[in-house]
Amino acid sequence: KQEVTQIPAALSVPEGENLVLNCSFTDSAIYNLQWFRQDPGKGLTSLLLIQSSQREQTSGRLNASLDKSSGRSTLYIAASQPGDSATYLCAVRPITGGGNKLTFGTGTQLKVEL
Amino acid sequence: DAGITQSPRHKVTETGTPVTLRCHQTENHRYMYWYRQDPGHGLRLIHYSYGVKDTDKGEVSDGYSVSRSKTEDFLLTLESATSSQTSVYFCAIMQEGEIYNEQFFGPGTRLTVL
Repeated sequence: KQEVTQIPAALSVPEGENLVLNCSFTDSAIYNLQWFRQDPGKGLTSLLLIQSSQREQTSGRLNASLDKSSGRSTLYIAASQPGDSATYLCAVRPITGGGNKLTFGTGTQLKVEL
Repeated sequence: DAGITQSPRHKVTETGTPVTLRCHQTENHRYMYWYRQDPGHGLRLIHYSYGVKDTDKGEVSDGYSVSRSKTEDFLLTLESATSSQTSVYFCAIMQEGEIYNEQFFGPGTRLTVL
């Protein structure tokens, strides 16, 4: 059974710092991996999707990498801002099981302080 | 927001009463999903649909049923609500593309069962 882990569960950094969020998964047989952002009381916003054949994807100050063989992904946030404060979740789409289903990690709650 | 709406957005009900949550999409996506989100558990899949009248169970389907009589609507029913079903419920769609498939989420429904 695919398991997705995100460590740490919470992170607090000063504004302007570059930071890395981690995501690990137990089964490397995946189609892709998605990173989401969730603001308090809100739904999930898709940030980046990395196909299994890709090593990284970039969007603005965000860069996501994927090392499928080791079961790891990182989300790099450059020059963090208070507006980046949110919970960040990663999810993998396993090859087995069908249904285009995702398996989610429990998220990292990020706080960027002034 | 990929044209996904959920209703109601908030609901308080009593144990033993039936509850139906509605997910509506405007873009004719084939796949639709219901998740619940609870502290410490992340998002867990309840049921999903891959077409009109085609549904399947997720990992936490006990106590829930679904129906999809039209492409745009996916209903989640709690036949007899219990306090353990107090949660935030999210609907999602899978946008199927030529290169990859990506999930997008609705705003969520906060359900409290007293």
